[in-house]
Amino acid sequence: GNSVTQMEGPVTLSEEAFLTINCTYTATGYPSLFWYVQYPGEGLQLLLKATKADDKGSNKGFEATYRKETTSFHLEKGSVQVSDSAVYFCALGRNTPLVFGKGTRLSVIA
Amino acid sequence: GAVVSQHPSRVICKSGTSVKIECRSLDFQATTMFWYRQFPKQSLMLMATSNEGSKATYEQGVEKDKFLINHASLTLSTLTVTSAHPEDSSFYICSARSATSGGLSSYEQYFGPGTRLTVT
Repeated sequence: GNSVTQMEGPVTLSEEAFLTINCTYTATGYPSLFWYVQYPGEGLQLLLKATKADDKGSNKGFEATYRKETTSFHLEKGSVQVSDSAVYFCALGRNTPLVFGKGTRLSVIA
Repeated sequence: GAVVSQHPSRVICKSGTSVKIECRSLDFQATTMFWYRQFPKQSLMLMATSNEGSKATYEQGVEKDKFLINHASLTLSTLTVTSAHPEDSSFYICSARSATSGGLSSYEQYFGPGTRLTVT
């Protein structure tokens, strides 16, 4: 079945540091890949997505590239801000319900 | 576009009572809605998938008689937690998938803001 593996958190960074959150997946077929963000006490917001191999999703300075050869979809940001502190979920799916990774908590300190 | 609402956002109920949570797609028609449960500091666990006008499909280990799901229209699904117990306390999140209209992707899920249920 489909599955998503994310790096364990929590991740603590200083403001303006570079961020990478690793995500790898196992899937049958050709799923779409997503990153969602959850701020404290809130629901999930779609951060970015990629629908096919080599696609790059980007939003708010975050980027992730759909790498079929390494089955990965790592999230990166060049310079994080305190306001980026949240839990980030990698997910995959297409015509089936989304399957989520366990989430990675990011804390950015000033 | 693609806004999903949930009501209530928070609810506290006594053990043994039932609680209904509503999930609405506000600006699109949702042929399929999903209900997830999230425990503190954990990921989302899919509970069930519901298609408008048909019975919900529950994931293994989810009691269908305890978590009643109704998807009566293309914009509304409800989750009723019956005879709630403290272990049912959790964050419940719904999401909706579009019927491919108005430019929305047919495979993307749009999430509601969640409902925090506390059973005392």
